[in-house]
Amino acid sequence: DIQMTQSPSSLSASVGDRVTITCRASQGISNFLAWYQQKPGKVPQLLIYGASTLQSGVPSRFSGSGSQTDFTLTISSLQPEDVATYYCQKYNSAPYTFGQGTKLEIK
Amino acid sequence: QVQLQESGPGLVKPSETLSLTCTVSGGSISSYEWSWIRQPPGKGLEWIGYLHYSGNTNYNPSLKSQVTISVDTSKNQFSLKLSSVTAADTAVYYCAREWGGGANDLWGQGTLVTVSS
Repeated sequence: DIQMTQSPSSLSASVGDRVTITCRASQGISNFLAWYQQKPGKVPQLLIYGASTLQSGVPSRFSGSGSQTDFTLTISSLQPEDVATYYCQKYNSAPYTFGQGTKLEIK
Repeated sequence: QVQLQESGPGLVKPSETLSLTCTVSGGSISSYEWSWIRQPPGKGLEWIGYLHYSGNTNYNPSLKSQVTISVDTSKNQFSLKLSSVTAADTAVYYCAREWGGGANDLWGQGTLVTVSS
């Protein structure tokens, strides 16, 4: 099975900072990658699918890029409400494995 | 708008079968694929499997021997059965809709299932 590895596992940044989270697949998955945001005690929410397509209603400060094995989620200007754990998920073929998560905090 | 709601027992004994149902309201189940995902307390997300409304399924190989996902289109529901559970199966269980070929754009609120005697 293809493994998904996120880095870093945790991250602390200041309001207004540009933040980048990386997700690496152990084999190529084309652009079949999604990013989710899970705020504390809440349900995960889809941010990006197809590696770079912003889900409706998601703020434009979020963006995704990459293909095959290397992907990034970027927050252009960190806001206090972005405190959350972020997960990538591959869905080129089953199993639709998630990354282990990146916990983002405000410095 | 479309909403998902999980239901089922919150406590299951070890070695027994965990059974959950997801009710789809505000839309038809016969238009998408549907997933079950779980999250042990304090841990990350684990994909359990998906179901096409036609009844075709695909399961996580790590759980395949335990899992059955089925659909009842007449009730607009789909279900999860996980057999021979242990404490390691304690988790919040989410049902979700698949969008764009596999991403999950709509989630239920989740239901905590504890495996304990």
